[in-house]
Amino acid sequence: QVQLQESGPGLVKPSETLSLTCTVSGGSISNYYWTWIRQPPGKGLDWIGYVYYSGSTNYNPSLKSRVTISADTSRNQVSLKLTSVTAADTAVYYCARGRGGYYWNFDLWGRGTLVSVSS
Amino acid sequence: QSALTQPASVSGSPGQSITISCTGTSSDVGGYNYVSWYQHHPGKAPKLMIYEVSNRPSGVSNRFSGSKSGNTASLTISGLQAEDEADYYCSSYTSGSTLVVFGGGTKLTVL
Repeated sequence: QVQLQESGPGLVKPSETLSLTCTVSGGSISNYYWTWIRQPPGKGLDWIGYVYYSGSTNYNPSLKSRVTISADTSRNQVSLKLTSVTAADTAVYYCARGRGGYYWNFDLWGRGTLVSVSS
Repeated sequence: QSALTQPASVSGSPGQSITISCTGTSSDVGGYNYVSWYQHHPGKAPKLMIYEVSNRPSGVSNRFSGSKSGNTASLTISGLQAEDEADYYCSSYTSGSTLVVFGGGTKLTVL
């Protein structure tokens, strides 16, 4: 079955760039939207943005100036880059697949990866 | 502050039914039938339980059902079981700039 696995550094220094990868196994990233979602400690879920497998993107306006999401069909991976991080970016980061070619609901999620921003 | 409002916690005994509400606005929950519900056991991947207000993905128990009235969507779990104890989140498409909004989550305790 299709599985998603987030990976990347668990600790990032303030002002640096957070980089995460979502590796999709058991299926192709083609023909789907891929979304990054985060959950700060003790808080709810926040939508970061999505990439369609072909490369089109849409981002949360509150993060738009700092975020880049990309898809690599050859590696079957989706990536997230968030620049100029602060402590407010500390969160569990999830990647998720849009159900049935849509981007507003998510039928598969990864387990998430905790990223802490601290010096 | 999450865009959609959920109760922080609900509880019920095995076999009982519970309902979790999710209140938004006419720009999200009330305006579109694109409400979803997710179950999250800490440390595991969240699981889609309901999509488009009331549809269950294949494999999800029919004990889970969804509905909507005005700006409020609801998730009902009947015949509560111990394994239902988890956090539940609602989400909706929104005509706002963020496109997708979530609730703050509801912790379900099975007594």
